[in-house]
Order: sequence, then C-alpha cells, then structure tokens
Amino acid sequence: LAKTTQPISMDSYEGQEVNITCSHNNIATNDYITWYQQFPSQGPRFIIQGYKTKVTNEVASLFIPADRKSSTLSLPRVSLSDTAVYYCLVGLISSGSARQLTFGSGTQLTVLP
Amino acid sequence: NAGVTQTPKFRILKIGQSMTLQCTQDMNHNYMYWYRQDPGMGLKLIYYSVGAGITDKGEVPNGYNVSRSTTEDFPLRLELAAPSQTSVYFCASRTGTASNQPQHFGDGTRLSIL
Repeated sequence: LAKTTQPISMDSYEGQEVNITCSHNNIATNDYITWYQQFPSQGPRFIIQGYKTKVTNEVASLFIPADRKSSTLSLPRVSLSDTAVYYCLVGLISSGSARQLTFGSGTQLTVLP
Repeated sequence: NAGVTQTPKFRILKIGQSMTLQCTQDMNHNYMYWYRQDPGMGLKLIYYSVGAGITDKGEVPNGYNVSRSTTEDFPLRLELAAPSQTSVYFCASRTGTASNQPQHFGDGTRLSIL
C-alpha cells in the first residue's frame, strides 16, 4: 500500500499562499499523485494530479521532487472559501492488480479573515 | 450532468436490519468505488469494480456486499447492520481509459445504526 502522511491541520490568512506537503515514501513507479478537496457534507472534489516535476492548473500547483517520495500542493492567495480538508492520494487500481487506493486522514485547512 | 448520484442521502437503521445503498453514474465510467468515512477520518475503500460483472474487495469489506450488473449502477448492501457501520458512505467512479484519470464522487449517504 502506498501510505501517505500529511499534517493534521494548518491555519492561514486570506490572501496568503498555502503549501501542504504529503509524504509517500513507498510510491510505486506507475503511481500518480492526486489531491482532493472536501467540504463538510460533500464528497471529495478533484483539485490536481501529477506524476513528476510541476503541474499547474487554474486553482493550484503541484510540486513533485525527482525522487517522488513527497509532493506539495500550493494554493495561491487563499480565501475563506478554501477552508476544507485536503487529501493526498497515491496509487491506482487496474484490473488484475491487488494494489489499493489509500486516503490518509487529510489536512484541515482553516483560512482566517 | 448528474455525475454520480447516491440514494438515500440519510438513513437510520436498527441493528440487524439490512439495506442497499444505491449508486449510479451517467458518465459511462468503467471503474466504480465504495468508501466509508468515519467522523474526522479519511476515506477507506470497501469494494471496487473495474467493469460490469467484476468486483473486488478493498481495505474494509467485511459486513458488505456489492454487485455490478450494469456499467451505470454499483449498489452496496449491508446484510446485518451493526453499530460499527455507522458512517458516511461515498460512491465514486472514473473512466478506465487512462490510468491517471481522477475519481468523481457522489455527495454521500449518511447512515446511522441504532
């Protein structure tokens, strides 16, 4: 299993950049790194995904070092509406594979005014 | 687009009762998943399916059963409800055409067993 480790919680102020790091020491060669956002009473929502180096979309950036044993989700200029739990997910399931997807406990990000 | 739809949204069961949590998706996704999320915790995989007629156990399958007779539907059945199964249940799906496609989640079923 590709276990992940994230900080339990983080606080930030509006307008700041937030970086959340996820550790995944036993990531496999074919694993992708995916980040999800979850608001209370809702299902997780896809934010960004990457395999190596840097990926950027309209809401976030994902930094992955060469050894791929960790990854950092970067949220630029957060607002109050970014308060949520953020999950780092490593791995995939394909037919015939016994490997499993594992969600960690996530990081509760609280954005303060 | 409806995406992933779960019913019911809330349910209270008595110990020993049975019920089926429904999940349907309209995106023609091959891969479907059932997770449970206990308060303050991450999601744990119960069962998954890589296509119609194919299912497999995840991390916490005990006490649950699934079936996948069509591409669209992936129901989860609790045969003998126990208090330990009180949780929020999420269904997800993704396309199987590329291994890196993300999952799309429903809004969950909140189940209490008393």
